[in-house]
Amino acid sequence: GENVEQHPSTLSVQEGDSAVIKCTYSDSASNYFPWYKQELGKRPQLIIDIRSNVGEKKDQRIAVTLNKTAKHFSLHITETQPEDSAVYFCAASRGSSASKIIFGSGTRLSIRP
Amino acid sequence: SQTIHQWPATLVQPVGSPLSLECTVEGTSNPNLYWYRQAAGRGLQLLFYSVGIGQISSEVPQNLSASRPQDRQFILSSKKLLLSDSGFYLCAWSVLPSGRVSYNEQFFGPGTRLTVL
Repeated sequence: GENVEQHPSTLSVQEGDSAVIKCTYSDSASNYFPWYKQELGKRPQLIIDIRSNVGEKKDQRIAVTLNKTAKHFSLHITETQPEDSAVYFCAASRGSSASKIIFGSGTRLSIRP
Repeated sequence: SQTIHQWPATLVQPVGSPLSLECTVEGTSNPNLYWYRQAAGRGLQLLFYSVGIGQISSEVPQNLSASRPQDRQFILSSKKLLLSDSGFYLCAWSVLPSGRVSYNEQFFGPGTRLTVL
């Protein structure tokens, strides 16, 4: 079955700097890659996703890249702000109606003022 | 628009007691439904998922069970809770591609924080 590995497990960056979180997946049939942000005590929220027919997607300060050949994808946050502090989860799915989403283990991002 | 409800929000139960957590979705039909558990400071563990009424797939062997008596209702149960059942229980839904919703976008409910003492 699918396995998603996520690195690093913790990340601390200076406010205003960039943060990068990387994930690898094992199932070559996966074609949908969402990212979730979970603030302390709250539910995970979908912040951005990418499908296998594109290599990059951007939404304001966040961007995701996908390398299907190497089976890895990354989340990039630029100009980090204190409100970016949270746990981020990557995930992979085959995208069909009956499939599961396999989550990475999470990255705890801390933004230093 | 679609919304997802979970109750109760918090629960403190003694070891050995029964459990029933409920999740309902509004504004969509025939959703896929999921139960996850998140231990403190940990990742998301998929417990059960359902693609239709009465159809339940179990991901891990445990003392929990799930049922889907109605299209938009998903229930997580236990006959006897263990200390290790403590955690943050999240229900989620996804739908087939329709309009602006991408395939398999999953949306989470607000969660139930369960403490077993």
